[in-house]
Amino acid sequence: KAGVTQTPRYLIKTRGQQVTLSCSPISGHRSVSWYQQTPGQGLQFLFEYFSETQRNKGNFPGRFSGRQFSNSRSEMNVSTLELGDSALYLCASSPYPGQSSYEQYFGPGTRLTVT
Amino acid sequence: AQTVTQSQPEMSVQEAETVTLSCTYDTSESDYYLFWYKQPPSRQMILVIRQEAYKQQNATENRFSVNFQKAAKSFSLKISDSQLGDAAMYFCAYRSAFATDSWGKLQFGAGTQVVVTP
Repeated sequence: KAGVTQTPRYLIKTRGQQVTLSCSPISGHRSVSWYQQTPGQGLQFLFEYFSETQRNKGNFPGRFSGRQFSNSRSEMNVSTLELGDSALYLCASSPYPGQSSYEQYFGPGTRLTVT
Repeated sequence: AQTVTQSQPEMSVQEAETVTLSCTYDTSESDYYLFWYKQPPSRQMILVIRQEAYKQQNATENRFSVNFQKAAKSFSLKISDSQLGDAAMYFCAYRSAFATDSWGKLQFGAGTQVVVTP
């Protein structure tokens, strides 16, 4: 099976702009989670989507949003970018939680730089 | 809220030797999952090993094994016969088994950088 894919891999934006990142989960996986990784804060959970519904959200401002499509692909959007949003954004997919497996499988990440 | 602590920022090991990474966590839950992930310089997070809290037996995956001490809330990772390819940042992670406010959420530690010397 193909792994989790994320596009684009690298992105440079200017303060105040907005950005959309995309994530395609492993085929058959219906849950998609997003994480922000920075040197100062480490890995922080942004949100999780399952069946096009956001089921859980981390402690991030409303500028961070996301959605999931019927094919389980997910996008996250950051509006009004700030310098502190520079980070590696990781997407992870997981099978339907009712199954025994709770592992999350990660994509390669999108490196966002805000100037 | 659960917290995961990795107290070793960096560990160095020679090839073919063994290194143990420590992880402690704080939770009031009785059922949960623990994971070790590896993040090499490519930044791709790779699942190394998982442990279900209800299982007494420690998980093992080839050269990787864990020492799970539920009462002590400790979850250490042992890498045996270390190889150059093991050099990476290693993260310990916790996931609740039931709590709905933990859907899809892994709680990560700060990570331990493993350096492998020839």
